Amino acid sequence: AQTVTQSQPEMSVQEAETVTLSCTYDTSENNYYLFWYKQPPSRQMILVIRQEAYKQQNATENRFSVNFQKAAKSFSLKISDSQLGDTAMYFCAFMKHSAGNQFYFGTGTSLTVIP
Amino acid sequence: GAVVSQHPSRVICKSGTSVKIECRSLDFQATTMFWYRQFPKQSLMLMATSNEGSKATYEQGVEKDKFLINHASLTLSTLTVTSAHPEDSSFYICSAREGWDRQRSSYNEQFFGPGTRLTVL
Repeated sequence: AQTVTQSQPEMSVQEAETVTLSCTYDTSENNYYLFWYKQPPSRQMILVIRQEAYKQQNATENRFSVNFQKAAKSFSLKISDSQLGDTAMYFCAFMKHSAGNQFYFGTGTSLTVIP
Repeated sequence: GAVVSQHPSRVICKSGTSVKIECRSLDFQATTMFWYRQFPKQSLMLMATSNEGSKATYEQGVEKDKFLINHASLTLSTLTVTSAHPEDSSFYICSAREGWDRQRSSYNEQFFGPGTRLTVL
């Protein structure tokens, strides 16, 4: 079974500062995908960033980047130059690399950006 | 990205009645759709996976006779909460994905609907 753990239920960061959200996972799979999703107050799930496990290079999307440590099964999200619109719940998720498989979500981290 | 819609966005019903929630993929054909349930300040819990034209696969602990899922076309899946009770009140989210491309063996992105808030009085 796959498990995803987010050990920080709540975090806050000053506007324009940098914050890192932690995620660890447990799996016996070798090929898989990892994701960070954002859920703002509207409750719409928005894909922030995706990482393929076979890629050693960390994924980056503008102000968002990940630190993927496959051996340690760690997948943290760094948000640079935090903006008020970044305030949301952030979910780390795991998906096996095979057909028909679903997401396994972490418990989420509530991030508040303080003006 | 692709768009997934849900209808209704909010529904209030009396205990004992049935409620149908629709999930539609608007600009792609969704071979697979997923239904999630989310309680306040909690994560998304997968309820069931539905593939077009076949019976849904339910997660352990989810009553298939209570949560009826139909995926009759490549653009529509419905979740019917039968004989709803107050404990069924929750936020229900669907997601949709195109068919898995075995040749490319690549990831097909999953797109989420905006969710439906169900309140059972």
